[in-house]
Amino acid sequence: AQKVTQAQTEISVVEKEDVTLDCVYETRDTTYYLFWYKQPPSGELVFLIRRNSFDEQNEISGRYSWNFQKSTSSFNFTITASQVVDSAVYFCALSEVAGNQFYFGTGTSLTVIP
Amino acid sequence: NAGVTQTPKFQVLKTGQSMTLQCAQDMNHEYMSWYRQDPGMGLRLIHYSVGAGITDQGEVPNGYNVSRSTTEDFPLRLLSAAPSQTSVYFCASSYFGGRNNEQFFGPGTRLTVL
Repeated sequence: AQKVTQAQTEISVVEKEDVTLDCVYETRDTTYYLFWYKQPPSGELVFLIRRNSFDEQNEISGRYSWNFQKSTSSFNFTITASQVVDSAVYFCALSEVAGNQFYFGTGTSLTVIP
Repeated sequence: NAGVTQTPKFQVLKTGQSMTLQCAQDMNHEYMSWYRQDPGMGLRLIHYSVGAGITDQGEVPNGYNVSRSTTEDFPLRLLSAAPSQTSVYFCASSYFGGRNNEQFFGPGTRLTVL
């Protein structure tokens, strides 16, 4: 069973629009960690955020914000006032305290149209 | 600090050939891992290591071997390359456990097996 589901394969928005990338995870652990990574067209993987399962506070970093809801097992990522430089593939990932493995979703490809 | 380095950047192999993808990090990270990235599949864990002399299998280990003789190096060996191993390979490292720490990724190796 997929531990991390990113149902949105591709999203296109016009510059300055807000966009939310969905991430749903599955785990039986009570302690776990969630991550978002960005992969721009150049191909490298860039860490964006880490969140542990005990901290449900939403986080904002500039135009980026993350909404963590344990009740729905979701860790969604919103970009406000999108820019062309936000065009990338975004990956959500889960790691469980019980193991030593990361589980990545299949990614969401975001295209911001100027 | 070079971070995580991978060589080569590109490689073309013929079916049945063997080769080693090199990965090194200079951050004294205990945890290292190898992923493959295929279209629509996200990143899938091949093998990982929690320290020198310790390795374990991930989600897709078949056809690959690893060893961890030093903290710095974590080579990935393809024993007999197959077209199904055509992919982009990423090496990553993080502080102990990996589960609760961000992973630092190398630039990737694009492998084509003919």
